[in-house]
Amino acid sequence: DAKTTQPPSMDCAEGRAANLPCNHSTISGNEYVYWYRQIHSQGPQYIIHGLKNNETNEMASLIITEDRKSSTLILPHATLRDTAVYYCIVRESNFGNEKLTFGTGTRLTIIP
Amino acid sequence: NAGVTQTPKFRVLKTGQSMTLLCAQDMNHEYMYWYRQDPGMGLRLIHYSVGEGTTAKGEVPDGYNVSRLKKQNFLLGLESAAPSQTSVYFCASRKRTGNTIYFGEGSWLTVV
Repeated sequence: DAKTTQPPSMDCAEGRAANLPCNHSTISGNEYVYWYRQIHSQGPQYIIHGLKNNETNEMASLIITEDRKSSTLILPHATLRDTAVYYCIVRESNFGNEKLTFGTGTRLTIIP
Repeated sequence: NAGVTQTPKFRVLKTGQSMTLLCAQDMNHEYMYWYRQDPGMGLRLIHYSVGEGTTAKGEVPDGYNVSRLKKQNFLLGLESAAPSQTSVYFCASRKRTGNTIYFGEGSWLTVV
């Protein structure tokens, strides 16, 4: 099973870019990288996902290294509302076997 | 459009009691999931379903049963609750051909 490794916590100044790293060195060719975040004890919220190309949406950018062994989530202009636990997830799918492996995430604190 | 709805949101059980958590989604999603989250930890997959009438075990299935009699509902049952099952339970769903997973707001269960 592909696993992910993230730093347990990070701080970022409000208004600056927050760069959250994730290691997924055992990822296989057909596995996607997802990012979710969880604010307080709410249900996780989808942010972005990608396979091998860099992706951008209204919330964030996802940079995946060429060998796909790591990725970085970028929040371009962090606000206090971005304080949350961020999960990097690798999706496994094998003919009906559908599992999502969540790590422990990175607790991002945005500092005023 | 309610998305993913979980009931109940809070429940206190005595050891040995049984209960059922209901997850309902109105997005016509084929895939549904039940996760648990313990304090300071990531989400762990309990059971999942890839379609009506089918279920499969996840990472931590012991002590739980599930049923998917209707496409829109995924039930999680505890036949004999134990204190170790005190947790927050999250339901999620996604479309078979989609990549975005939608989570419910969580159900807080305490077993005393």
